[in-house]
Amino acid sequence: DAGVIQSPRHEVTEMGQEVTLRCKPISGHDYLFWYRQTMMRGLELLIYFNNNVPIDDSGMPEDRFSAKMPNASFSTLKIQPSEPRDSAVYFCASSLRPQSGANVLTFGAGSRLTVL
Amino acid sequence: KNQVEQSPQSLIILEGKNCTLQCNYTVSPFSNLRWYKQDTGRGPVSLTIMTFSENTKSNGRYTATLDADTKQSSLHITASQLSDSASYICVVSSTDSWGKFQFGAGTQVVVTP
Repeated sequence: DAGVIQSPRHEVTEMGQEVTLRCKPISGHDYLFWYRQTMMRGLELLIYFNNNVPIDDSGMPEDRFSAKMPNASFSTLKIQPSEPRDSAVYFCASSLRPQSGANVLTFGAGSRLTVL
Repeated sequence: KNQVEQSPQSLIILEGKNCTLQCNYTVSPFSNLRWYKQDTGRGPVSLTIMTFSENTKSNGRYTATLDADTKQSSLHITASQLSDSASYICVVSSTDSWGKFQFGAGTQVVVTP
């Protein structure tokens, strides 16, 4: 398996533009997570899905952020309109939920977003 | 308030030396604790996982300990190598809220020749 695949790896855009980040989870994993990482705040959970259904989106900062998972092999995180404070690395991770309750996340390589 | 606190924030060590990273948590009820290694420009990768009943677990030169009574964990790196330069992140799971894992801010380790 190629692991969790994210695209683009780097995105530079201007304030006000729409940004779409994409994620392909590991085949068979039924949980998908979106995280944002900054120097100031570390890794923050934005939203996670189970079987393509959003379970918790309380970490989504505001209405400018939206996430979808139209099928088991694809998810998007959209920011519209983007602002400079959205600059961060966005990670997608996928997982099976083990009986032990362990966190067994497999992360993608991340998408580094810079909003000018 | 963050439920997972890591220390130190960063450290520099000479190649071949040992170091210990700390993780204190308040997450309750506790399920398990996992240490991740994050290389620059990459996503975090799991190193070890500790459940309530485990005190020590090793993965090569990495040894994690857990004291569930004091809610503390440590990650010990033995005979450090240049490739150990990375951020080490402590992540704690609660039995109440699987999926909303609590992340520490990480310890940045730099190994110098």
